[in-house]
Amino acid sequence: DTEVTQTPKHLVMGMTNKKSLKCEQHMGHRAMYWYKQKAKKPPELMFVYSYEKLSINESVPSRFSPECPNSSLLNLHLHALQPEDSALYLCASSQAPIAHQPQHFGDGTRLSIL
Amino acid sequence: DQQVKQNSPSLSVQEGRISILNCDYTNSMFDYFLWYKKYPAEGPTFLISISSIKDKNEDGRFTVFLNKSAKHLSLHIVPSQPGDSAVYFCAASAPRNTGNQFYFGTGTSLTVIP
Repeated sequence: DTEVTQTPKHLVMGMTNKKSLKCEQHMGHRAMYWYKQKAKKPPELMFVYSYEKLSINESVPSRFSPECPNSSLLNLHLHALQPEDSALYLCASSQAPIAHQPQHFGDGTRLSIL
Repeated sequence: DQQVKQNSPSLSVQEGRISILNCDYTNSMFDYFLWYKKYPAEGPTFLISISSIKDKNEDGRFTVFLNKSAKHLSLHIVPSQPGDSAVYFCAASAPRNTGNQFYFGTGTSLTVIP
Protein backbone atom coordinates (compact mmCIF):
# COMPACT_ATOMS: atom_id res chain seq x y z
CA ASP A 1 0.00 0.00 0.00
CA THR A 2 1.30 3.42 -0.95
CA GLU A 3 1.76 5.93 1.87
CA VAL A 4 1.10 8.81 -0.49
CA THR A 5 -2.60 8.94 -1.38
CA GLN A 6 -3.86 10.67 -4.50
CA THR A 7 -7.47 11.40 -5.39
CA PRO A 8 -9.21 10.98 -7.69
CA LYS A 9 -7.62 8.01 -9.47
CA HIS A 10 -9.21 9.04 -12.77
CA LEU A 11 -10.53 12.40 -13.95
CA VAL A 12 -12.17 13.37 -17.22
CA MET A 13 -12.80 17.06 -17.75
CA GLY A 14 -13.62 19.53 -20.47
CA MET A 15 -11.33 22.35 -21.45
CA THR A 16 -13.50 24.93 -19.66
CA ASN A 17 -13.84 23.03 -16.39
CA LYS A 18 -12.13 23.75 -13.11
CA LYS A 19 -11.03 20.75 -11.05
CA SER A 20 -8.46 19.89 -8.41
CA LEU A 21 -6.14 16.96 -7.78
CA LYS A 22 -5.38 16.09 -4.18
CA CYS A 23 -2.39 14.45 -2.53
CA GLU A 24 -1.97 13.48 1.11
CA GLN A 25 0.86 11.97 3.14
CA HIS A 26 1.13 11.31 6.86
CA MET A 27 4.79 10.37 7.04
CA GLY A 28 5.84 13.77 8.39
CA HIS A 29 7.60 14.56 5.13
CA ARG A 30 8.35 18.24 4.57
CA ALA A 31 8.91 18.19 0.80
CA MET A 32 6.20 17.41 -1.72
CA TYR A 33 6.32 17.22 -5.48
CA TRP A 34 4.06 17.18 -8.54
CA TYR A 35 5.16 15.27 -11.65
CA LYS A 36 3.54 14.80 -15.05
CA GLN A 37 4.05 11.57 -16.94
CA LYS A 38 3.03 10.97 -20.55
CA ALA A 39 2.81 7.47 -22.00
CA LYS A 40 6.18 5.78 -22.60
CA LYS A 41 7.99 8.79 -21.09
CA PRO A 42 9.68 9.36 -17.73
CA PRO A 43 8.03 11.47 -15.02
CA GLU A 44 8.76 15.19 -15.46
CA LEU A 45 8.97 17.49 -12.47
CA MET A 46 6.40 20.29 -12.31
CA PHE A 47 6.56 21.77 -8.78
CA VAL A 48 8.41 21.31 -5.51
CA TYR A 49 7.12 22.46 -2.13
CA SER A 50 9.62 22.75 0.71
CA TYR A 51 8.19 23.33 4.20
CA GLU A 52 4.87 24.33 2.61
CA LYS A 53 6.47 26.95 0.38
CA LEU A 54 6.81 26.70 -3.39
CA SER A 55 10.51 26.31 -4.11
CA ILE A 56 10.62 25.05 -7.70
CA ASN A 57 8.29 25.79 -10.60
CA GLU A 58 9.59 24.17 -13.77
CA SER A 59 8.06 26.80 -16.07
CA VAL A 60 4.65 25.19 -15.79
CA PRO A 61 1.77 27.04 -17.54
CA SER A 62 -0.45 29.07 -15.22
CA ARG A 63 -3.45 26.85 -16.00
CA PHE A 64 -1.82 24.55 -13.39
CA SER A 65 -1.89 26.12 -9.92
CA PRO A 66 -0.37 24.26 -6.97
CA GLU A 67 -1.34 24.80 -3.36
CA CYS A 68 0.05 23.40 -0.10
CA PRO A 69 -2.50 24.11 2.67
CA ASN A 70 -0.45 22.27 5.30
CA SER A 71 2.47 19.89 5.63
CA SER A 72 0.34 16.83 4.81
CA LEU A 73 -1.64 18.09 1.84
CA LEU A 74 -0.80 19.15 -1.68
CA ASN A 75 -3.34 20.24 -4.27
CA LEU A 76 -3.07 20.91 -7.97
CA HIS A 77 -5.81 23.20 -9.28
CA LEU A 78 -6.64 22.83 -12.95
CA HIS A 79 -8.34 25.41 -15.16
CA ALA A 80 -8.72 25.77 -18.94
CA LEU A 81 -6.56 22.76 -19.69
CA GLN A 82 -5.65 21.65 -23.20
CA PRO A 83 -5.94 18.15 -24.69
CA GLU A 84 -2.14 17.81 -24.55
CA ASP A 85 -2.36 18.08 -20.76
CA SER A 86 -3.87 14.59 -20.68
CA ALA A 87 -1.37 12.52 -18.69
CA LEU A 88 -0.71 10.71 -15.42
CA TYR A 89 -0.11 13.21 -12.61
CA LEU A 90 2.06 11.86 -9.83
CA CYS A 91 2.54 13.28 -6.37
CA ALA A 92 5.61 12.43 -4.31
CA SER A 93 7.04 13.33 -0.93
CA SER A 94 10.42 13.13 0.75
CA GLN A 95 11.52 13.57 4.34
CA ALA A 96 13.20 16.87 3.57
CA PRO A 97 13.99 18.91 0.49
CA ILE A 98 17.66 18.06 0.63
CA ALA A 99 19.92 15.83 -1.36
CA HIS A 100 20.12 12.06 -0.88
CA GLN A 101 16.52 11.56 0.11
CA PRO A 102 14.33 9.10 -1.82
CA GLN A 103 10.98 10.36 -3.00
CA HIS A 104 7.90 8.26 -2.30
CA PHE A 105 5.19 8.31 -4.94
CA GLY A 106 1.44 7.98 -4.96
CA ASP A 107 -0.39 5.92 -7.57
CA GLY A 108 -1.24 8.99 -9.61
CA THR A 109 -4.32 10.58 -11.13
CA ARG A 110 -5.02 9.66 -14.76
CA LEU A 111 -6.30 12.90 -16.32
CA SER A 112 -8.11 13.05 -19.66
CA ILE A 113 -9.02 16.38 -21.26
CA LEU A 114 -11.86 16.28 -23.76
CA ASP B 1 17.66 16.74 -23.64
CA GLN B 2 17.54 13.45 -21.76
CA GLN B 3 20.17 13.50 -19.02
CA VAL B 4 19.38 9.98 -17.82
CA LYS B 5 19.06 7.22 -20.39
CA GLN B 6 17.94 3.62 -20.28
CA ASN B 7 18.73 2.25 -23.71
CA SER B 8 16.98 -1.09 -23.30
CA PRO B 9 13.21 -0.67 -23.37
CA SER B 10 12.66 -4.31 -22.40
CA LEU B 11 14.42 -7.33 -20.92
CA SER B 12 13.34 -10.95 -20.48
CA VAL B 13 15.02 -13.24 -17.97
CA GLN B 14 14.39 -16.78 -16.79
CA GLU B 15 13.28 -17.21 -13.17
CA GLY B 16 16.25 -17.80 -10.88
CA ARG B 17 18.74 -16.13 -13.20
CA ILE B 18 20.30 -12.69 -12.85
CA SER B 19 18.58 -9.58 -14.25
CA ILE B 20 20.87 -6.69 -15.14
CA LEU B 21 19.31 -3.33 -15.90
CA ASN B 22 21.49 -0.52 -17.17
CA CYS B 23 21.37 3.25 -16.99
CA ASP B 24 23.64 6.00 -18.35
CA TYR B 25 23.76 9.66 -17.42
CA THR B 26 25.39 12.75 -18.86
CA ASN B 27 25.44 15.28 -16.03
CA SER B 28 28.61 15.02 -13.95
CA MET B 29 26.91 17.04 -11.18
CA PHE B 30 24.61 14.13 -10.33
CA ASP B 31 25.58 12.75 -6.93
CA TYR B 32 22.67 10.53 -5.91
CA PHE B 33 21.11 7.74 -7.92
CA LEU B 34 18.03 5.62 -7.35
CA TRP B 35 16.08 2.77 -8.87
CA TYR B 36 12.30 2.65 -8.84
CA LYS B 37 9.98 -0.19 -9.77
CA LYS B 38 6.57 0.45 -11.28
CA TYR B 39 3.64 -1.90 -11.70
CA PRO B 40 0.77 -0.96 -14.05
CA ALA B 41 -1.76 1.42 -12.48
CA GLU B 42 0.55 2.13 -9.54
CA GLY B 43 3.07 4.84 -8.80
CA PRO B 44 6.83 4.17 -8.81
CA THR B 45 8.09 2.38 -5.70
CA PHE B 46 11.54 3.20 -4.34
CA LEU B 47 13.88 0.19 -4.50
CA ILE B 48 17.46 1.15 -3.76
CA SER B 49 19.79 4.15 -3.95
CA ILE B 50 23.48 4.95 -4.04
CA SER B 51 25.43 8.12 -3.47
CA SER B 52 28.37 9.07 -5.62
CA ILE B 53 30.87 8.38 -2.84
CA LYS B 54 30.14 4.66 -3.17
CA ASP B 55 30.43 2.24 -6.06
CA LYS B 56 28.14 -0.47 -4.75
CA ASN B 57 25.09 -0.76 -2.54
CA GLU B 58 23.31 -4.00 -1.74
CA ASP B 59 19.87 -4.70 -0.30
CA GLY B 60 18.78 -8.30 -0.32
CA ARG B 61 18.41 -9.52 -3.89
CA PHE B 62 19.06 -6.03 -5.27
CA THR B 63 22.51 -4.53 -5.87
CA VAL B 64 23.25 -1.23 -7.54
CA PHE B 65 26.66 -0.57 -9.06
CA LEU B 66 27.95 2.90 -9.93
CA ASN B 67 30.79 3.60 -12.36
CA LYS B 68 31.37 7.33 -12.15
CA SER B 69 34.08 7.48 -14.79
CA ALA B 70 31.76 5.84 -17.30
CA LYS B 71 28.68 7.69 -15.98
CA HIS B 72 26.94 4.36 -15.77
CA LEU B 73 24.91 2.53 -13.17
CA SER B 74 23.33 -0.87 -13.15
CA LEU B 75 20.81 -2.78 -11.07
CA HIS B 76 21.38 -6.49 -10.49
CA ILE B 77 18.53 -8.68 -9.29
CA VAL B 78 19.56 -12.13 -8.12
CA PRO B 79 17.75 -14.47 -8.20
CA SER B 80 15.02 -13.03 -10.42
CA GLN B 81 11.45 -13.88 -9.47
CA PRO B 82 8.21 -13.58 -11.48
CA GLY B 83 7.02 -10.88 -9.07
CA ASP B 84 9.95 -8.74 -10.22
CA SER B 85 8.23 -8.28 -13.60
CA ALA B 86 7.65 -4.53 -13.80
CA VAL B 87 9.02 -1.36 -15.36
CA TYR B 88 12.24 -0.17 -13.72
CA PHE B 89 13.21 3.51 -13.76
CA CYS B 90 16.59 4.86 -12.80
CA ALA B 91 16.76 8.39 -11.47
CA ALA B 92 19.51 10.84 -10.62
CA SER B 93 19.65 14.04 -8.67
CA ALA B 94 21.99 16.98 -8.41
CA PRO B 95 22.16 19.28 -5.39
CA ARG B 96 19.93 22.30 -5.64
CA ASN B 97 19.54 24.91 -2.96
CA THR B 98 15.83 25.16 -3.52
CA GLY B 99 14.84 21.52 -3.64
CA ASN B 100 15.64 17.98 -4.47
CA GLN B 101 15.09 17.47 -8.20
CA PHE B 102 15.14 14.04 -9.77
CA TYR B 103 15.73 13.23 -13.43
CA PHE B 104 14.27 9.95 -14.61
CA GLY B 105 15.22 7.55 -17.38
CA THR B 106 12.59 6.24 -19.79
CA GLY B 107 12.32 2.87 -18.07
CA THR B 108 13.09 -0.78 -18.82
CA SER B 109 10.27 -3.31 -18.80
CA LEU B 110 11.50 -6.50 -17.11
CA THR B 111 9.72 -9.80 -17.67
CA VAL B 112 10.77 -12.74 -15.52
CA ILE B 113 9.68 -15.98 -17.14
CA PRO B 114 8.65 -18.78 -14.74
